[in-house]
Amino acid sequence: DAGVTQSPTHLIKTRGQHVTLRCSPISGHKSVSWYQQVLGQGPQFIFQYYEKEERGRGNFPDRFSARQFPNYSSELNVNALLLGDSALYLCASTKGVGTGDSGNTIYFGEGSWLTVV
Amino acid sequence: RKEVEQDPGPFNVPEGATVAFNCTYSNSASQSFFWYRQDCRKEPKLLMSVYSSGNEDGRFTAQLNRASQYISLLIRDSKLSDSATYLCVVGDTGRRALTFGSGTRLQVQP
Repeated sequence: DAGVTQSPTHLIKTRGQHVTLRCSPISGHKSVSWYQQVLGQGPQFIFQYYEKEERGRGNFPDRFSARQFPNYSSELNVNALLLGDSALYLCASTKGVGTGDSGNTIYFGEGSWLTVV
Repeated sequence: RKEVEQDPGPFNVPEGATVAFNCTYSNSASQSFFWYRQDCRKEPKLLMSVYSSGNEDGRFTAQLNRASQYISLLIRDSKLSDSATYLCVVGDTGRRALTFGSGTRLQVQP
């Protein structure tokens, strides 16, 4: 079975540009979450989507947005890129809404490495 | 103050050693607790969930003390393959999010 798939794996953007990152969850999983991991830090929560609705939002500016499609795949969009947006962007997949408690294990994709220059 | 705090390390230990990692969390309403392992430039992978009763998986033992808001991970008989960053993670049901510590780096040496 395919795991969580993310694309692109690596990309370089210029300050002020826009980026779209994509994620396909594990088959049968209806929830997708996005995390940002800056070098030397743990991942930080950005959004959770379940059944196409936003169910949770972290402390990120409005330049960050996301959506979930009927097939449960998701996009993360970041506008007006800053140097500080350079990070590994991780997508996490779960069956339902939740935080990894019993029966709802969270699986991460390999991530998208974004470099802003 | 960070919501989840860990000693960043690095912990440099010889093969066969026992090593312990600790972490504290600030949100007393947290409901779920985990240790994740992250290899260099890879995604985090669940190592084990942590329960108040304590739990063991082979060479790994995790403990949770809710009163002290403290989580621990013990690795016995360290292997070279245990070299990685270990992330202490707390689930926040209200925000529907995981909160990660910054990680503790372990380097097991031959």
